[in-house]
Amino acid sequence: GAVVSQHPSRVICKSGTSVKIECRSLDFQATTMFWYRQFPKKSLMLMATSNEGSKATYEQGVEKDKFLINHASLTLSTLTVTSAHPEDSSFYICSARDLQGLRYNSPLHFGNGTRLTVT
Amino acid sequence: DAKTTQPPSMDCAEGRAANLPCNHSTISGNEYVYWYRQIHSQGPQYIIHGLKNNETNEMASLIITEDRKSSTLILPHATLRDTAVYYCIVRVEFSGTYKYIFGTGTRLKVLA
Repeated sequence: GAVVSQHPSRVICKSGTSVKIECRSLDFQATTMFWYRQFPKKSLMLMATSNEGSKATYEQGVEKDKFLINHASLTLSTLTVTSAHPEDSSFYICSARDLQGLRYNSPLHFGNGTRLTVT
Repeated sequence: DAKTTQPPSMDCAEGRAANLPCNHSTISGNEYVYWYRQIHSQGPQYIIHGLKNNETNEMASLIITEDRKSSTLILPHATLRDTAVYYCIVRVEFSGTYKYIFGTGTRLKVLA
């Protein structure tokens, strides 16, 4: 089955530093990837849609200068949390959909998430 | 702007069928319904999806009403490992692309 790999799984950083999270589709190509964040005991909240070769589309209320997204290839998207603060501590999850052929209703496949703690 | 509503929590006895309902009354004619589950501190796991016909796979069955305004995920013989939060999702079309918006989900607890 389609596998999405996310790295790192956990990261602790100091306030004011930047953290990069990688999301890779291992056995399929994905022109679009999605980034979510999740607070404890809450649902996933869509942050942005990452498009290969073009700018990401951010959801309302998500700061594009704070959460930099790069989707440079069909198998890799990165999310960089810039100048991190304690309130950015959260669980970040990426997802991608296999677009091989014309299976446009194929489901999203999710990475296992990155737990970010900003001290 | 979630397009689905689910009960916040449910309990189910181990070995019994777990029936998880979802309302998606604003679903459009060509939109699929997707079901995922999330076990603590992991990414969501795909379970099943469907359009209008009932679907079954090795994990679960999906029953979609004829008017497509609601669906039910059935885990035929729940085990303790099925304890998770279950999400029903309908894609949202936006500016020529699609977004997948999560609702609040149902926290299923399978009891021994």
